[in-house]
Amino acid sequence: NAGVMQNPRHLVRRRGQEARLRCSPMKGHSHVYWYRQLPEEGLKFMVYLQKENIIDESGMPKERFSAEFPKEGPSILRIQQVVRGDSAAYFCASSLRTGSNQPQHFGDGTRLSIL
Amino acid sequence: DQQVKQNSPSLSVQEGRISILNCDYTNSMFDYFLWYKKYPAEGPTFLISISSIKDKNEDGRFTVFLNKSAKHLSLHIVPSQPGDSAVYFCAASDTGRRALTFGSGTRLQVQP
Repeated sequence: NAGVMQNPRHLVRRRGQEARLRCSPMKGHSHVYWYRQLPEEGLKFMVYLQKENIIDESGMPKERFSAEFPKEGPSILRIQQVVRGDSAAYFCASSLRTGSNQPQHFGDGTRLSIL
Repeated sequence: DQQVKQNSPSLSVQEGRISILNCDYTNSMFDYFLWYKKYPAEGPTFLISISSIKDKNEDGRFTVFLNKSAKHLSLHIVPSQPGDSAVYFCAASDTGRRALTFGSGTRLQVQP
């Protein structure tokens, strides 16, 4: 499967714990994006990264959320001290290195539930 | 402020007929538009896209039309098949930012 891989598919955390969501982009893709979807809503952009760089984090909450895309390994979205409102589906997407009009291809998401 | 709007939450059509899904946008900086299909518990699947230099793009049963003056785009599916039943999202971006802005989706149901 050469698609975008996200894990875990489901993650349950208690309030105050940390959540780590992982994303491996499609082969050959060096642009990674994270989106969040609340029930009955569309996807909302959070952050755009290239290897070792955050390009656009305008959609990230100012506190408790961080993202990285290291030189080696998957991209990580980290949520510290989770609260009930963090319960959502988190989707990762990737696109090709070159060209501005490249479609983003999505993984199947991580469904985060906060108890 | 919803910059991309899909005003029809749901649409039901008969198998074999045409499905037309609509999308309006307000940001004149948007120059790249995409349609995604989404099944429950899966991620969005890219269907078709169009850049602002075109007014039509076709791929098999799927055609996207763009009317820049009206800030409106539509997705036509002909003929519709039961397997097309899903939620369809319209998305847009501008060259300066790669972030996609999504509409709230339209649930399409194709009746056999």
